[in-house]
Amino acid sequence: GQQLNQSPQSMFIQEGEDVSMNCTSSSIFNTWLWYKQDPGEGPVLLIALYKAGELTSNGRLTAQFGITRKDSFLNISASIPSDVGIYFCAGRGFGNEKLTFGTGTRLTIIP
Amino acid sequence: GAVVSQHPSRVICKSGTSVKIECRSLDFQATTMFWYRQFPKKSLMLMATSNEGSKATYEQGVEKDKFLINHASLTLSTLTVTSAHPEDSSFYICSARRQGNSYEQYFGPGTRLTVT
Repeated sequence: GQQLNQSPQSMFIQEGEDVSMNCTSSSIFNTWLWYKQDPGEGPVLLIALYKAGELTSNGRLTAQFGITRKDSFLNISASIPSDVGIYFCAGRGFGNEKLTFGTGTRLTIIP
Repeated sequence: GAVVSQHPSRVICKSGTSVKIECRSLDFQATTMFWYRQFPKKSLMLMATSNEGSKATYEQGVEKDKFLINHASLTLSTLTVTSAHPEDSSFYICSARRQGNSYEQYFGPGTRLTVT
């Protein structure tokens, strides 16, 4: 099935650093979502975006819905150890309940 | 917040047997539930959309007779892996969406299936 291109594939950062990841698609979406998945667990919803250009924050997390409707980014400021995990973007098209997931970004914090 | 549970969390079965996985929405009614499969270090791949009171809609390449889905109530959907084989070993995750446009999919904790 279709997948969204997500980059980077993995990140190795030090605690306190800011993180940025993005997701691009060849298709237009009307909703962009960002999820975090810990090992052996299901994804947890972080941020939902519904309008092109929308910028939404959830604590240290900020995400934007690209103006073209084909991309989104997620920023994490001042990373902490519990930020470690895999981050997935997901898009939903018009009149469609199904989500298309990104390929994931694995975040590791170096001691 | 919206809570979705799955049972069992882990299951080991022998080749040729069938395994049933339950997905429950605990504090809301879900007319639609989704079943995903995830291989190690890979993304989630949608298998099927489960609609309460009607037949599930399967994604291309997913065998409906192999992966039986039943959504008998507004809070429960089940996935049965029939005649399981080692290649069916995977992490199966369900999600549920509360009725209404302002609600998103909430995921269960997943079920790790190992077929020996």
